[in-house]
Amino acid sequence: SQQGEEDPQALSIQEGENATMNCSYKTSINNLQWYRQNSGRGLVHLILIRSNEREKHSGRLRVTLDTSKKSSSLLITASRAADTASYFCATALANAGGTSYGKLTFGQGTILTVHP
Amino acid sequence: SQTIHQWPATLVQPVGSPLSLECTVEGTSNPNLYWYRQAAGRGLQLLFYSVGIGQISSEVPQNLSASRPQDRQFILSSKKLLLSDSGFYLCAWDRAITEAFFGQGTRLTVV
Repeated sequence: SQQGEEDPQALSIQEGENATMNCSYKTSINNLQWYRQNSGRGLVHLILIRSNEREKHSGRLRVTLDTSKKSSSLLITASRAADTASYFCATALANAGGTSYGKLTFGQGTILTVHP
Repeated sequence: SQTIHQWPATLVQPVGSPLSLECTVEGTSNPNLYWYRQAAGRGLQLLFYSVGIGQISSEVPQNLSASRPQDRQFILSSKKLLLSDSGFYLCAWDRAITEAFFGQGTRLTVV
């Protein structure tokens, strides 16, 4: 079953507005990551937040993590048409059996459309 | 810098035909390697992962297999494709629970 679940499934906004996407997960994590995917392409890593962090910024991106609620949010400020893409959260579990692989579990994604 | 190559970009194969998708990584050694499948442009399902040469773990029972003949080469195969094998296949690598780097994907259509 999917570890991460995003909402909303789709989000449509105007350029300049902020976009907020949420992600919930079920088990203890080592870190949570957000990825972006343009249509028909591979995923691109945006930001990683560790389980002991609460907030992280990168340019126009702001990610929060609430481990007590097992949830995260991605905020894109001052959106641009070029931000149109699908956004996925992915979790790396806290206990990977002692091995070093990430074995990310992805949610279903949020499709963001930014209208010029 | 590290790069990941995945090919072909698109593939149309008849039912019952074999499949071989290849993924190679450059600029790093001993990466963890992954094959994901994405249906209908939504969530990714992990199919196989490998932490070293010849070490393959399967996440879900299926008609596919994976092999890692060299440190930076990961191959996804099938002896006989099914219609349900159609989808978007993504190869990825990482090192020790950090960000993953993805290839550009292969769109497989089984007809």
